[in-house]
Amino acid sequence: GNSVTQMEGPVTLSEEAFLTINCTYTATGYPSLFWYVQYPGEGLQLLLKATKADDKGSNKGFEATYRKETTSFHLEKGSVQVSDSAVYFCALSSGSSNTGKLIFGQGTTLQVKP
Amino acid sequence: EPEVTQTPSHQVTQMGQEVILRCVPISNHLYFYWYRQILGQKVEFLVSFYNNEISEKSEIFDDQFSVERPDGSNFTLKIRSTKLEDSAMYFCASRDGGMDTQYFGPGTRLTVL
Repeated sequence: GNSVTQMEGPVTLSEEAFLTINCTYTATGYPSLFWYVQYPGEGLQLLLKATKADDKGSNKGFEATYRKETTSFHLEKGSVQVSDSAVYFCALSSGSSNTGKLIFGQGTTLQVKP
Repeated sequence: EPEVTQTPSHQVTQMGQEVILRCVPISNHLYFYWYRQILGQKVEFLVSFYNNEISEKSEIFDDQFSVERPDGSNFTLKIRSTKLEDSAMYFCASRDGGMDTQYFGPGTRLTVL
């Protein structure tokens, strides 16, 4: 079945460091891929998405490229800030499901220290 | 900016009791969802709802669970007889017909004692 695997956390970085959070997926069909972020005490917010192979999603300095050949959607940011501290979830919406349900990875906690 | 709201933010109940979790999706959205996240685990799909009926449900969504859209604005999740293992954060989400992006509420933390 469809699944998403994220790198284990927590990830602890100093401010202005480079961030990569790995995400790989298994899916039938042509899924859309998402990164959601959960700040402390808040709900899930869409960070970025990509709907087809080689698409790059970007928002707030974060980027991720849909790589079909490696079934990956790694999240990157060139220079993190303390305010980026949150839990990041990779997810897919399978084209084979007409309900559009999301399948999530386990989440990666990012801590950025000043 | 329109947003999904959920009430209550925290619900504490005794095992065996019924609970109703409430959500108000974004007003022009057509697809509605419930997910749950047990502490420390991944976010799991429970059920999707479209055109006043369940369109898909997971293995978790057994006969103890039900959903309803009673009045065209609210979307509720009922658990008839709660178990300890139902303790989790429950998220409501909605999306419109043309886009695949789901918008999430802040969640309801359910604690079953």
